[in-house]
Amino acid sequence: KAGVTQTPRYLIKTRGQQVTLSCSPISGHRSVSWYQQTPGQGLQFLFEYFSETQRNKGNFPGRFSGRQFSNSRSEMNVSTLELGDSALYLCASSLLTGNGETQYFGPGTRLLVL
Amino acid sequence: EDKVVQSPLSLVVHEGDTVTLNCSYEVTNFRSLLWYKQEKKAPTFLFMLTSSGIEKKSGRLSSILDKKELFSILNITATQTGDSAIYLCAVEAIQGAQKLVFGQGTRLTINP
Repeated sequence: KAGVTQTPRYLIKTRGQQVTLSCSPISGHRSVSWYQQTPGQGLQFLFEYFSETQRNKGNFPGRFSGRQFSNSRSEMNVSTLELGDSALYLCASSLLTGNGETQYFGPGTRLLVL
Repeated sequence: EDKVVQSPLSLVVHEGDTVTLNCSYEVTNFRSLLWYKQEKKAPTFLFMLTSSGIEKKSGRLSSILDKKELFSILNITATQTGDSAIYLCAVEAIQGAQKLVFGQGTRLTINP
């Protein structure tokens, strides 16, 4: 079974630009969560989608948004990029969103904002 | 606010040693605790713990949860250089904005 895939793997943008990251979950998984990982803050939860609906949201500004499609693929968008948005963005999928599921992480997209 | 604290933050040992990594948490409506290993890329799942006192074991790795004292430990016996990684502890709450609350991680280095 193929794992979680994320594209692109690396990205360089400049301040003020916007970026869209993509995540394809493991086949059959319906929940997709996004995380930001930085050396200073560690792994922080951005949001979670299940069946095309955002179910949970972390403490990030409105510049961070996402969506999920009917095939469970998800995209994350960051508008008006800031230097502090440089990070590894990880997507994780799980089969359900109920009790006891585990999340499987993709390889991440490393974003550098100049 | 939900919080997960791991200790130590960094650990350097020799191959063959046994290590114990700690994770304590304060979470409202606890659902499960998970351990991940992160090498150069994405975290890979190790264990999920939901019940107190039941040890989960996979090869040289084992983990146990104490829901009364709100902590978990991850043990690695007969360490190998391939065990060098960041070990992340995460807690999942039933409610709240956070899907998984992660600790800072423990950077484990195994020297030959």
